[in-house]
Amino acid sequence: ILNVEQSPQSLHVQEGDSTNFTCSFPSSNFYALHWYRWETAKSPEALFVMTLNGDEKKKGRISATLNTKEGYSYLYIKGSQPEDSATYLCAFKGYSTLTFGKGTMLLVSP
Amino acid sequence: DSGVTQTPKHLITATGQRVTLRCSPRSGDLSVYWYQQSLDQGLQFLIQYYNGEERAKGNILERFSAQQFPDLHSELNLSSLELGDSALYFCASSVIGRRGTDTQYFGPGTRLTVL
Repeated sequence: ILNVEQSPQSLHVQEGDSTNFTCSFPSSNFYALHWYRWETAKSPEALFVMTLNGDEKKKGRISATLNTKEGYSYLYIKGSQPEDSATYLCAFKGYSTLTFGKGTMLLVSP
Repeated sequence: DSGVTQTPKHLITATGQRVTLRCSPRSGDLSVYWYQQSLDQGLQFLIQYYNGEERAKGNILERFSAQQFPDLHSELNLSSLELGDSALYFCASSVIGRRGTDTQYFGPGTRLTVL
């Protein structure tokens, strides 16, 4: 059973705060690491697919980094806004598996 | 709107019954993925089809089966339903999906309730 761990489990910040979450995954048989944003009552929306060690991706105020050798990825949100409130999921793609973490639930208060 | 459609939106049925969930991928996408999301577990990958062929298998029970048709739509069949099968079932699609490095686009999901 593959372990994909996300921390923290939940986070409550104020509007304007910057924040980051961690996704830990196995460092062997790595193919890709996916990040998704999942708002309540909606379906997961892809943020990034990262494949190379040292990858850095950015979409607006959200960015992510990848370290495949040590098995972790960070997701950063700069200047959080209430509309960023959602659960952020990572998913590890190995040789024959796709395993999701349980997510980090972010709440941004105005 | 991701372009992935799923029907029905909600399904209520009884234990022991069989249901079929349907998914139409985005235009041009060859891969279809099925996921299950239940309260006590996170999002679980069930199975992937690529251009009609099974590509990868996850935690899919033997009572469940899927197929992808020549027009690329997919169906997930759930039989001998149990209370624990109540969950949200998502379908996703991607362009190719050979190595799992494609962006996946999720449909709105089908909420299955087994009474």
